[in-house]
Amino acid sequence: DAGITQSPRYKITETGRQVTLMCHQTWSHSYMFWYRQDLGHGLRLIYYSAAADITDKGEVPDGYVVSRSKTENFPLTLESATRSQTSVYFCASSEVIRDSSGNTIYFGEGSWLTVV
Amino acid sequence: RKEVEQDPGPFNVPEGATVAFNCTYSNSASQSFFWYRQDCRKEPKLLMSVYSSGNEDGRFTAQLNRASQYISLLIRDSKLSDSATYLCVVKGSTDSWGKLQFGAGTQVVVTP
Repeated sequence: DAGITQSPRYKITETGRQVTLMCHQTWSHSYMFWYRQDLGHGLRLIYYSAAADITDKGEVPDGYVVSRSKTENFPLTLESATRSQTSVYFCASSEVIRDSSGNTIYFGEGSWLTVV
Repeated sequence: RKEVEQDPGPFNVPEGATVAFNCTYSNSASQSFFWYRQDCRKEPKLLMSVYSSGNEDGRFTAQLNRASQYISLLIRDSKLSDSATYLCVVKGSTDSWGKLQFGAGTQVVVTP
């Protein structure tokens, strides 16, 4: 049971380069999310997707692009990486489509990105 | 003001003791509440949902106080393995997971 996997787990890139972080889930969950986590901040939502071909901006979308052509994949692209995008990125998924207290979001193991 | 605020800690707790901490939220229309646990350099994992009437899961007890807009987590008989950062998560009034708000976390360190 692979669950939700992210790649690469660790990446160092230079300012101005394009970087794509991959996210793959095996549960066929409808919802997928990208968060970033920085010291002193909670997890902040970058983009999310309710289904294939449906994406929406979160709290901090600037500088990022997402796509979701298949239910199981939700790649995140930094079009021109900046130092402020150095962070830990978590992909997550959920089968939730209704407001139920039993819902759960499952997170991938994270991608550590350093922009130099 | 942040929508979800937590005392960052650390809360240093002797093994076997009880520790409790709160999380305040600003949106009075918030409907769903959760506690997640995050170990160092790991992904967050759901610890428990928080129900209106309060709920227990083993040594963990969660409470919701809507009047004062906070949720709490109490850990009894602390174990070394309880050392982690506990994230408070609040879901807004809309039926959208894009409205989840995460606190920055409360660090708990259980010492022998």
